[in-house]
Amino acid sequence: QVQLVQSGAEVKKPGASLKVSCKTSGYTFTTYGISWVRQAPGQGLEWMGWISPYNGNKKNAQKLQGRVTMTTDTSTSTAYMELRSLRSDDTAVYYCARGLDSSVSYKDYWGQGTLVTVSS
Amino acid sequence: EVVLTQSPGSLSLSPGERATLSCRASQSVSSAYLAWYQQKPGQAPRLLIYAASSRPTGIPDRFSGSGSGTDFTLTISRLEPADFAVYYCQQYGFPPETFGQGTKVEVK
Repeated sequence: QVQLVQSGAEVKKPGASLKVSCKTSGYTFTTYGISWVRQAPGQGLEWMGWISPYNGNKKNAQKLQGRVTMTTDTSTSTAYMELRSLRSDDTAVYYCARGLDSSVSYKDYWGQGTLVTVSS
Repeated sequence: EVVLTQSPGSLSLSPGERATLSCRASQSVSSAYLAWYQQKPGQAPRLLIYAASSRPTGIPDRFSGSGSGTDFTLTISRLEPADFAVYYCQQYGFPPETFGQGTKVEVK
């Protein structure tokens, strides 16, 4: 069965960097895209960006330009999201999600989420 | 970007009742590119509907989606206890993809 398993919760100080992993299984990794979506406490869902494991194409949300990098490792079917210069308003649950190999797509499978707390 | 406005913000209903949730887009979205998700506390979202009215395998047929242009609807025909949750719509027709702010369906 399709699974996306994310790395564990993190506590970071303002200005630090964060890297979340998303290990996939149960499907051909390069056939689908991976998006990252975050959810601040008590808030809605915010799309952060997308990457194609097939060819490395990517798109990021404009508000995160310059702070976020998405990568994949096809040898381990794992996606990564790095966020730099963390601020308190980056505190959120971060999800990876599988979609079509397109920068815009519905998401049919989601990771369990990674809680990131940014606090001094 | 396309703004999605969901209404109502919350809905108080009893098990067995019908729930009708609305999602309005700030510009016309092809019905091929509208999805609905269910999210329960502490859990990831779950895809319920894609392409406005298609259900993925395993989603019960009490969930149905409809609409076109700027107005879309998710209907839950008879609420079951497991259906009390927050529901989000998403458009993926225009980059960047965007989500509505959610509708909470709670027990009356």
